[in-house]
Amino acid sequence: EVQLVESGGGLVKPGGSLRLSCAASGFSFSSYSMNWVRQAPGKGLEWISSISSSGSYIYYADSLKGRFTISRDNAKNSLYLQMNSLRAEDTAVYYCARDPPSVYWGQGTLVTVSS
Amino acid sequence: DIQMTQSPSSLSASVGDRVTITCQASQDISNYLNWYQQKSGRAPKLLIYDASNLETGVPSRFSGSGSGTDFTFTISSLQPEDIATYYCQQYDNLWTFGQGTKVEIK
Repeated sequence: EVQLVESGGGLVKPGGSLRLSCAASGFSFSSYSMNWVRQAPGKGLEWISSISSSGSYIYYADSLKGRFTISRDNAKNSLYLQMNSLRAEDTAVYYCARDPPSVYWGQGTLVTVSS
Repeated sequence: DIQMTQSPSSLSASVGDRVTITCQASQDISNYLNWYQQKSGRAPKLLIYDASNLETGVPSRFSGSGSGTDFTFTISSLQPEDIATYYCQQYDNLWTFGQGTKVEIK
């Protein structure tokens, strides 16, 4: 069974940093591109970053303005999102999701940016 | 960047009604389109992949059609458990989501 489990969310002050993790199991993690998607309270889904299976190709949404860094460790079947210079508008549930075919999502981890 | 325009943003229908949601891409995405259902506090659930293929275990009252730039998602007979927000997603070039359609029971 494919499982994606996010962790690392929490309350952080504006300007602070946080590192999210996504532990993958049940599939060949190193064969798939992976993504981070976020959803602000009461809002829609927003794709924020993608990383290729080997980690060679990385893409970000323009809205992030270089504050976030996606990475992966195929030996540990893990995906990461380093978030710096956090702002109130980054408050959201952050999901990791596997690329097609068959898109799988984690349950999400809540990041709250507030003083 | 590919933009996805989804409509309507919300709808109210009676149990048993046919419900249709549309999604338009800003450029040709072939059939690289998914439809998701998201219930409150839950992760999105994949219903339709590649524009028209029903995900395993999803009831047959859900269907999708279209290719290129214009896509349609249909619930043939709305059930109370279908109350949710539905999203289209293109994956031809990275990912982009539609704005979502909130479906309510009249």
